[in-house]
Amino acid sequence: QVHLVQSGTEVKEPGASVRVSCKTSGYTFTDYAIHWVRQAPGQGLEWMGWINTGTGGLKYSQRFQARVTITSVTSATTVYLDLTSLTSEDTAVYFCSRSRGYSFDPWGQGTLVTVSS
Amino acid sequence: QSALTQPRSVSGSPGQSVTISCTGTSSDIGAYDYVSWVQQHPGRAPQVMISDVTKRPSGVPDRFSGSKSGNAASLTISGLQAEDEADYYCSSYTGTNTFVFGTGTHVTVL
Repeated sequence: QVHLVQSGTEVKEPGASVRVSCKTSGYTFTDYAIHWVRQAPGQGLEWMGWINTGTGGLKYSQRFQARVTITSVTSATTVYLDLTSLTSEDTAVYFCSRSRGYSFDPWGQGTLVTVSS
Repeated sequence: QSALTQPRSVSGSPGQSVTISCTGTSSDIGAYDYVSWVQQHPGRAPQVMISDVTKRPSGVPDRFSGSKSGNAASLTISGLQAEDEADYYCSSYTGTNTFVFGTGTHVTVL
């Protein structure tokens, strides 16, 4: 069974950086890309970017291009999201999701990142 | 890339049908048959209901169906059930390896 398990809640001060991890299992890691999607409190889903875990190919949303880095470690079957220069507007739940063709299936449980001084 | 447009909310009684629209442009929905829909219950992770406009993944009830016409897509829930009360989001491939989600629709079962 496919599982995506994310790291725990983070609390950061404005200007700091955060790393969220997504540990995958139950399938061949390099056969599927991983997306990152975030959801601010009471708001909708926002696509941030994805990584081709087989080739290392990347694509980021223009909105986050300057502040986001997605990496993967095949030996650990884990994908990471790094977001820098945090502001209160980055307070959100961050989800990883496996690419299923051009859809998103399944999803991790989500990681709450709170940015507050 | 602007978010796809969905109605804020729709509602229906048990057993009825509801349809959620998702309006994009000729650069996203109109250009590719890569529209998907996810369901999200409060405090939970989303779950895919429809992929590639009309495909229903294994385990998704057949009362969920998808369609597309021009720059708009739709999700129809037939035979509405109490457990269908949730938020629904469409998404589309937009070319150049990017994606966009819809604004989200809350479905209320009366």
